[in-house]
Amino acid sequence: KAGVTQTPRYLIKTRGQQVTLSCSPISGHRSVSWYQQTPGQGLQFLFEYFSETQRNKGNFPGRFSGRQFSNSRSEMNVSTLELGDSALYLCASSLDPTFSTDTQYFGPGTRLTVL
Amino acid sequence: AQKITQTQPGMFVQEKEAVTLDCTYDTSDPSYGLFWYKQPSSGEMIFLIYQGSYDQQNATEGRYSLNFQKARKSANLVISASQLGDSAMYFCAMRGISSNTGKLIFGQGTTLQVKP
Repeated sequence: KAGVTQTPRYLIKTRGQQVTLSCSPISGHRSVSWYQQTPGQGLQFLFEYFSETQRNKGNFPGRFSGRQFSNSRSEMNVSTLELGDSALYLCASSLDPTFSTDTQYFGPGTRLTVL
Repeated sequence: AQKITQTQPGMFVQEKEAVTLDCTYDTSDPSYGLFWYKQPSSGEMIFLIYQGSYDQQNATEGRYSLNFQKARKSANLVISASQLGDSAMYFCAMRGISSNTGKLIFGQGTTLQVKP
């Protein structure tokens, strides 16, 4: 079974631009979560989608948004990029968080650099 | 609020020896799951092991075992017979099960270096 895939793997943007990152979950997984990883703040939760609905959102400004499609693929968008948005963005998928043993499996990440 | 604390920023271990990575947690959720992930320099987070709060026995997965002490709120990862390929960053994470959310709270991580 194929793992979680993320595209693109690397991205370089300039301040003020916007960016869209894509995540394809493991086949059959309905939950997709996004995390931002930086050296200073560590791993921080961005948002979680389940069956096309946002179920949970982390403490990030409104410039960060996301969505999930009917095939469970997810995208996240960051508008008006700032230097501090430079980070590794990780996507994770799982079957169903209502299961107590539900486990998230991560993709390889998208490394975003904002100049 | 939920919190994960990993107090060892970096650790060294000799190849073939065992090593314990510490993790303590705090949560008000009566039902929760604890996870350990490995992150090599490539960046991908690799799932290692899971422990449920109501599990009676400590979880084991090959060379990985989780020393779960609920009263002390600790969930330490034990890696037996360390290999050079174990050199990576290790994260402890927690999920509140009662809230039916997949959201994971991560610790700051521990960098493990295995010496030949």
